[in-house]
Amino acid sequence: GAVVSQHPSRVICKSGTSVKIECRSLDFQATTMFWYRQFPKQSLMLMATSNEGSKATYEQGVEKDKFLINHASLTLSTLTVTSAHPEDSSFYICSADRGMNTEAFFGQGTRLTVV
Amino acid sequence: AQSVTQLGSHVSVSEGALVLLRCNYSSSVPPYLFWYVQYPNQGLQLLLKYTTGATLVKGINGFEAEFKKSETSFHLTKPSAHMSDAAEYFCAVSHSNYQLIWGAGTKLIIKP
Repeated sequence: GAVVSQHPSRVICKSGTSVKIECRSLDFQATTMFWYRQFPKQSLMLMATSNEGSKATYEQGVEKDKFLINHASLTLSTLTVTSAHPEDSSFYICSADRGMNTEAFFGQGTRLTVV
Repeated sequence: AQSVTQLGSHVSVSEGALVLLRCNYSSSVPPYLFWYVQYPNQGLQLLLKYTTGATLVKGINGFEAEFKKSETSFHLTKPSAHMSDAAEYFCAVSHSNYQLIWGAGTKLIIKP
């Protein structure tokens, strides 16, 4: 199956700093990448959808200036959490899609802890 | 609005017993249906999916699910639980816009 690599798997940062999370599709070109956030004991919440070469589409309630998404190529999307605060601590997961109604492939996730 | 309901945030079964994880969805049109599994400290992995055709879908690790349109359900089953099945399971649906709508997840606990 297709592989999506997400890096880093864990990161601890100080409050006020920025953190970048990378999501790469290793053996296929991803027309669309999705970023999810998972709160403890809750399901995944879609944060934004990004298409290569265009601006990401953010879900309602997600601050686009705080969660910067860049989809520079068909194999790489990045999520930057800017000026992180403890409430941003969460599990972030990306997924990559090869096209409509095909299987989405997920990264391993990134556990962000802001202290 | 579309929604996915997973009954029971935690399900506990004995090793060797039947596993049944429930998933119901609300949708005006037949959706595509998925079950994903998340093992501790790992990412999500697709267990199985239903798109069209046979309503009984077989997945990996001995799991299967049946799409029942009349009941708007897609319950996940496994005849005999194994300790390695302990994980969190997510049901999801999508339509032509291929965005996944997720259930809240069910943590499966296997008792020795």
